[in-house]
Formats: sequence, C-alpha cells, structure tokens
Amino acid sequence: GAVVSQHPSRVICKSGTSVKIECRSLDFQATTMFWYRQFPKQSLMLMATSNEGSKATYEQGVEKDKFLINHASLTLSTLTVTSAHPEDSSFYICSARRLSGGESYNEQFFGPGTRLTVL
Amino acid sequence: GENVEQHPSTLSVQEGDSAVIKCTYSDSASNYFPWYKQELGKRPQLIIDIRSNVGEKKDQRIAVTLNKTAKHFSLHITETQPEDSAVYFCAASKGSSYKLIFGSGTRLLVRP
Repeated sequence: GAVVSQHPSRVICKSGTSVKIECRSLDFQATTMFWYRQFPKQSLMLMATSNEGSKATYEQGVEKDKFLINHASLTLSTLTVTSAHPEDSSFYICSARRLSGGESYNEQFFGPGTRLTVL
Repeated sequence: GENVEQHPSTLSVQEGDSAVIKCTYSDSASNYFPWYKQELGKRPQLIIDIRSNVGEKKDQRIAVTLNKTAKHFSLHITETQPEDSAVYFCAASKGSSYKLIFGSGTRLLVRP
C-alpha cells in the first residue's frame, strides 16, 4: 500500500509554455501533499505544502504565481509551472502524507518524480 | 526555520565494512528523523526512521541513533554491499507542519 504516482514522468517544453504535473495517491487518502524540486547532484528542496481544499503554503523564495498548486481532492494535487524557462529545468517530486496514519503519521510517500526540461 | 547539515558528502568503503553518515539539526522541536536512499533518477526510498522518544532503532544491517541533547542523528550501515551504493539523505520534521527538511546528501560507494 501507500503508492504515489506522478504524471508525466518526463516532459520537454519550449520556453514560455506552461506545464502541469499531477501527483496522485493511489491507495490512500492524503491529507497533505508536498512538492519538492531537485537539481542535479543536489538535495530535495521543499517548494510548498498543499492541503486539500485550501491554498498551498509556499517556502521562502518560491514564487507562488509561477508555481501554481491545486489540491482539489484527497488523492490529487497538481503543480503547474507557468511560463517555464530553462532555469526551471529540474526533477520535481511530490510526496503525500496519510489522512489517518497511525504509527506512520509522519511518513511521507514519494512519487517517482517528473523530469522537466525547458528548451 | 529548521536547518539540517549532513556529513560526509561522499563516502567510499570496501565491501563488508561499515558506513556511518551523520546529521545535525537546528530546531529542538523536530521530532521525526527519516533516512532515505535515492538511486539516480529515482524517488527517495525510506530505509529507516526514528522518533524523538527513542534513542536507537535497528533494522537488520541498518541502524539509526539519535542524540536529542546534541541535536544530531546518525545512520549506520554494517556489512556493506555494492548494492548499498547510492545517495543517502537524512531529514527532519516536526509534528506541527510535517514538513521534511533534507540534508545535503551523502554519496556512498561500496567497492567490491
């Protein structure tokens, strides 16, 4: 159990276009989803925390108008990179925390990531 | 906010030897400390975690120790195998937000 999927796994787009990435919890309800960005050979940097039905909370330095997050249901969160530029090229990973976690209430389950390349 | 430092950045060991990776955290309210293994282009995989009410936890060849007073925690891998080669990340979070703050990562190479 506790499977998280992401779609697409890889996307290449032209500069100036917008890209939407979906994150789904397949077999559990996620009270909170998180979005991370990882540049090559670097760590995961938290971008934002997303709670179902409410506005996302962005980390310092992350532009909320550029990285639009929608968490419409307990199993789906989307990240839209608006007007993407080459510097937005990165590995984007989502994670989800269970609605009812029991012993694993802290644990986050990660999606497989989306590699975005902006030309 | 929370800051997590991780050392070393790279670690090369001979197969069968032990490997130790250390992390320190800054926020004394942090109460959950997971360790992840990440292979190139893949998602982070949880390998072990520890909560602040426990000082040590072991799972076969992997163990984690936590010193709350000093605010540091360590990952110990014994009898290393080539398939242990990967990048390892520590992280810290607290119950109020559940946000994970990651360390900078350690690239472990186990030489056959």
